[in-house]
Amino acid sequence: GAVVSQHPSWVICKSGTSVKIECRSLDFQATTMFWYRQFPKKSLMLMATSNEGSKATYEQGVEKDKFLINHASLTLSTLTVTSAHPEDSSFYICSAPGQWSSYNSPLHFGNGTRLTVT
Amino acid sequence: AQTVTQSQPEMSVQEAETVTLSCTYDTSESDYYLFWYKQPPSRQMILVIRQEAYKQQNATENRFSVNFQKAAKSFSLKISDSQLGDAAMYFCAYRSALSGSARQLTFGSGTQLTVLP
Repeated sequence: GAVVSQHPSWVICKSGTSVKIECRSLDFQATTMFWYRQFPKKSLMLMATSNEGSKATYEQGVEKDKFLINHASLTLSTLTVTSAHPEDSSFYICSAPGQWSSYNSPLHFGNGTRLTVT
Repeated sequence: AQTVTQSQPEMSVQEAETVTLSCTYDTSESDYYLFWYKQPPSRQMILVIRQEAYKQQNATENRFSVNFQKAAKSFSLKISDSQLGDAAMYFCAYRSALSGSARQLTFGSGTQLTVLP
């Protein structure tokens, strides 16, 4: 089945530094990837939609300059948290529809990245 | 915009018993898809079951079944013969079927299911 690999699985960084999270589709091409954020025991909130070859679409309230998204190829999307602060600490999950998926097909999720900013 | 509501933050069930998790949603669209995802402590999102809104028949997957009431905009999940491995956070999710719409999911707030031995 389709696999989405997300790296790193967890990261600790100091306040003010930047962190890059990678999301790769291993056996299919993903023209679109979705980035979600999840607080402890809370739901997944869509942050942005990355599109290969074009700018990402951000949800209302998400700072574009803080959460930089780059969809460099058909198999790689990255989320960079710039100048991270403790309030950015969270669980970030990427997902992608399968290459030939229809609308009733499930999304394929990465295993998530736990970010802790100290 | 679509919204998904799960009114039960926590539920518990005795092993081998049956439990039903509730989900309601709000949409003005007539065609859409509904999903239940499971998130165990590993936090990996696992698809449990899906339902196409145009289908009247309720979806079933082994011990998992749904009660889809389109008019009431209700989509509950029934887990039969509950097992310890069913313990997880369960999310109800909605996806639009409009042509050209993005395929992101809108999630409910989740229900934490505990299975008691």
